[in-house]
Amino acid sequence: QSVLTQPPSASATPGQGITVSCSGGSSNIGSNPVNWYQQLPGTAPKLLIYATNQRPSGVPARFSGSKSGSSASLAISGLQSEDEAHYYCATWDDSVNGRVFGGGTKLTVL
Amino acid sequence: QMHLQQWGAGLVKSSETLSLTCGVYGGSFSVYYWSWIRQSPGKGLEWIGEIDHRGRGNYNPSLKSRVSISVDTSKSQLSLKLSSVTPADTAVYYCARSGSATDIFHYHYGMDVWGQGSAVTVSS
Repeated sequence: QSVLTQPPSASATPGQGITVSCSGGSSNIGSNPVNWYQQLPGTAPKLLIYATNQRPSGVPARFSGSKSGSSASLAISGLQSEDEAHYYCATWDDSVNGRVFGGGTKLTVL
Repeated sequence: QMHLQQWGAGLVKSSETLSLTCGVYGGSFSVYYWSWIRQSPGKGLEWIGEIDHRGRGNYNPSLKSRVSISVDTSKSQLSLKLSSVTPADTAVYYCARSGSATDIFHYHYGMDVWGQGSAVTVSS
C-alpha cells in the first residue's frame, strides 16, 4: 500500500480539464512540498511539477500543481492525446526520513 | 546536458545479490543527491534510497536492511546492491538525480534526470 493515496484512474476528452488528487498526512504532504511525475508507457518517469507548484523548463503551462493541508492536486487543462499517461505524486515523509510516492493515476484521454 | 546510463545483471537468482551501476555524464556528480527507484511489473514507483557524493544517505525503511548504495566520485558513478533477493524484487530499477547536496531541503525539488531503467528478473 502506498503512503500517498491517488485515484487509480481518471478520464476526460480532448480539450477538457482534469484534476488528479493526492492525499497524505501531516508528516508528508502536510509538512513538505509535493512533486508530480508523468510516465508514458515504456519510459522513465518525467518530473512534471516540483515544490508543489513549479514547472521545470519545457513543461507546458497547461500543467499546474497545488496543495491544501495534507492533500495535493495536479490540474491539466486543454487535454491532449499525448497527455495519456500515468501520473504519480511524491513528497518527503518526515516520519521515515525518506521519499514516498502515491500509487499512481492512469489518465485516459477519450 | 546531463544524462544517466545504467547497467547491470538482468537476471538474478533468489537469495543472491542484485547489483546495478549508474554512470553520470555531462555534468557535475558531486553537487547532487542521487536516488534509486524501482517499479514492479504493472505497479507504481517505489523509492529505494538516495546518497550524495560524501556517502550521506537515506533509505526506504522497508528495504534498508538489504540495501547498499555507494558512490565512486572518481568515476561519477553510483551503485545499488540489494541482497537476499526474491521474485518480489523483480522490477525495473531507475537511478535519478535528486536535488542539490548543498540544500538541506534538497527533496523539495524532485528527481529531474532519470536513467533509462534496468529490468531485473529474480528467478526462483
